[in-house]
Amino acid sequence: EDQVTQSPEALRLQEGESSSLNCSYTVSGLRGLFWYRQDPGKGPEFLFTLYSAGEEKEKERLKATLTKKESFLHITAPKPEDSATYLCAVQAGGGSNYKLTFGKGTLLTVNP
Amino acid sequence: NAGVTQTPKFRVLKTGQSMTLLCAQDMNHEYMYWYRQDPGMGLRLIHYSVGEGTTAKGEVPDGYNVSRLKKQNFLLGLESAAPSQTSVYFCASSYTGQGVGYTFGSGTRLTVV
Repeated sequence: EDQVTQSPEALRLQEGESSSLNCSYTVSGLRGLFWYRQDPGKGPEFLFTLYSAGEEKEKERLKATLTKKESFLHITAPKPEDSATYLCAVQAGGGSNYKLTFGKGTLLTVNP
Repeated sequence: NAGVTQTPKFRVLKTGQSMTLLCAQDMNHEYMYWYRQDPGMGLRLIHYSVGEGTTAKGEVPDGYNVSRLKKQNFLLGLESAAPSQTSVYFCASSYTGQGVGYTFGSGTRLTVV
């Protein structure tokens, strides 16, 4: 069974204080690992897809990396507007597998 | 750009009542999904569709039915609502089924009393 564990559950940072969120996963043949951002009362917003170990992707202050067992979302010099819940999800390979398995998320709060 | 639109945004049902949640997308996506999000749990897949006229069961399909009569619409029905179905429901769509990010709607918050 595919599993995704995110840590920490909650993280509070000061503006400009860089940190990382962790996503550990077990999956039978990784098709893709996904990061989403979710604001309160809204649906998840797609950020990145990573496909293989060693891959990295960046968007503004966010950088996602992938190993065979985990992914990190690095946040450099965060701003208050980066406050949100960050979700990690995996999709297993297989011809008819369309399911994403999500973690419970990390609630990030950035104080000014 | 409307993206994925869900209606209604909020609803309160009594146990045993029925209702339909509507999802509409304007991106010409083939694949559509219904997920539920509960406190302390990750999003879980209820049903999905790989194209017009098709539907399939996801991880937690019991108590729900779906239909995709038109490519742009995906309906989620609750025939006899139960308190365990109190949740936030999200619809999503994607142009292909594997290895791509979804576009999510803003959700429907359903309370069953």
